[in-house]
Amino acid sequence: DAKTTQPPSMDCAEGRAANLPCNHSTISGNEYVYWYRQIHSQGPQYIIHGLKNNETNEMASLIITEDRKSSTLILPHATLRDTAVYYCIVRALTGANSKLTFGKGITLSVRP
Amino acid sequence: DTGVSQDPRHKITKRGQNVTFRCDPISEHNRLYWYRQTLGQGPEFLTYFQNEAQLEKSRLLSDRFSAERPKGSFSTLEIQRTEQGDSAMYLCASSSLTSGRALSGELFFGEGSRLTVL
Repeated sequence: DAKTTQPPSMDCAEGRAANLPCNHSTISGNEYVYWYRQIHSQGPQYIIHGLKNNETNEMASLIITEDRKSSTLILPHATLRDTAVYYCIVRALTGANSKLTFGKGITLSVRP
Repeated sequence: DTGVSQDPRHKITKRGQNVTFRCDPISEHNRLYWYRQTLGQGPEFLTYFQNEAQLEKSRLLSDRFSAERPKGSFSTLEIQRTEQGDSAMYLCASSSLTSGRALSGELFFGEGSRLTVL
């Protein structure tokens, strides 16, 4: 079972920041927080991951709370092409929990 | 394109027939994963290989399913005696344990093979 909970959907206006929340209250010390997204009819695509520090790359920023029980993925300037299902996943890099276990994700709709 | 490729992209079959899907991972990726995705759900893990060794199988992988990766490169997923409940998108992903990006644990997914069982 997925170890994360996400709202089923949200929307935002094009050009504005999209803040996607995720709860992972049972995360273990060796588990990372990963975000993937899946655009309709395509395979999932990696976005970003982090352990405890905030992370930023060319696609997004990841803010992890100090207690690591929740996180927020931020798309700073959402475009229509960012409309997709976003999956928040906790995962260890090695061992039994090293595979990706997807939940239902959150459907982000970016409106013009 | 040097990404993960899957074949066929679409397959329609009648109940009871056998089907086989092929996945070609990114060159020299030593881990290969199979997932299944039904409408409105996230992908579900089926199995994964490290090189030619099948290291883990989900309980979702019934006896009718078999996956192979004989030379540690491409993989096949065969479904025997298909049932309507097998209708789904079958996704393949690969990753590397040795490249610089391996430490990120990033999986690269193909675009999937969609199976429809009539």
